[in-house]
Amino acid sequence: EDQVTQSPEALRLQEGESSSLNCSYTVSGLRGLFWYRQDPGKGPEFLFTLYSAGEEKEKERLKATLTKKESFLHITAPKPEDSATYLCAVRERNEKLTFGTGTRLTIIP
Amino acid sequence: NAGVTQTPKFQVLKTGQSMTLQCAQDMNHNSMYWYRQDPGMGLRLIYYSASEGTTDKGEVPNGYNVSRLNKREFSLRLESAAPSQTSVYFCASGGRAEPGNTIYFGEGSWLTVV
Repeated sequence: EDQVTQSPEALRLQEGESSSLNCSYTVSGLRGLFWYRQDPGKGPEFLFTLYSAGEEKEKERLKATLTKKESFLHITAPKPEDSATYLCAVRERNEKLTFGTGTRLTIIP
Repeated sequence: NAGVTQTPKFQVLKTGQSMTLQCAQDMNHNSMYWYRQDPGMGLRLIYYSASEGTTDKGEVPNGYNVSRLNKREFSLRLESAAPSQTSVYFCASGGRAEPGNTIYFGEGSWLTVV
């Protein structure tokens, strides 16, 4: 069965303390791995899509990488405004999009 | 969130009542999705539509029906609401599964069944 697993479930960091979030997946026919940010009471906000192993994308303090089995979201020198839930999802050949349960990130000033 | 509109934003239903959640997108996307989000459960796929005229079940389809009315609109219907359907519902739409295309979400619909 196709699965998407995110770890850790929750992460507390001091402002400026870099770390990484993990998304491991098993899916046949990957057609994109997506990262989203979600703030309380809001819909998911698109961050990145990765399509092939070895691909990397960056946006401000965030960098996403992809291998054949997992993706990492690296957060460099985070700020309190980076606090949110980060969601990973995989898209299959038939357009189905499956999410992990997310990592709740808290940045302490 | 660009171009995905959900209505209503908030709704309270009594057990056994029916209702339809509406979703429309203005980005000419082929694929549309309905999810529910419960505390600690992440986003769970209810139904999706890969193109106009097609619909497929996701992880949690029981108690729901969908209609892909046209390319723009994808509605979710609860025929006989149950308290277990109290949740936040999100609609999403996206271009075909190929590089350069992404998937956007609406702002959500909060549904309470009493």
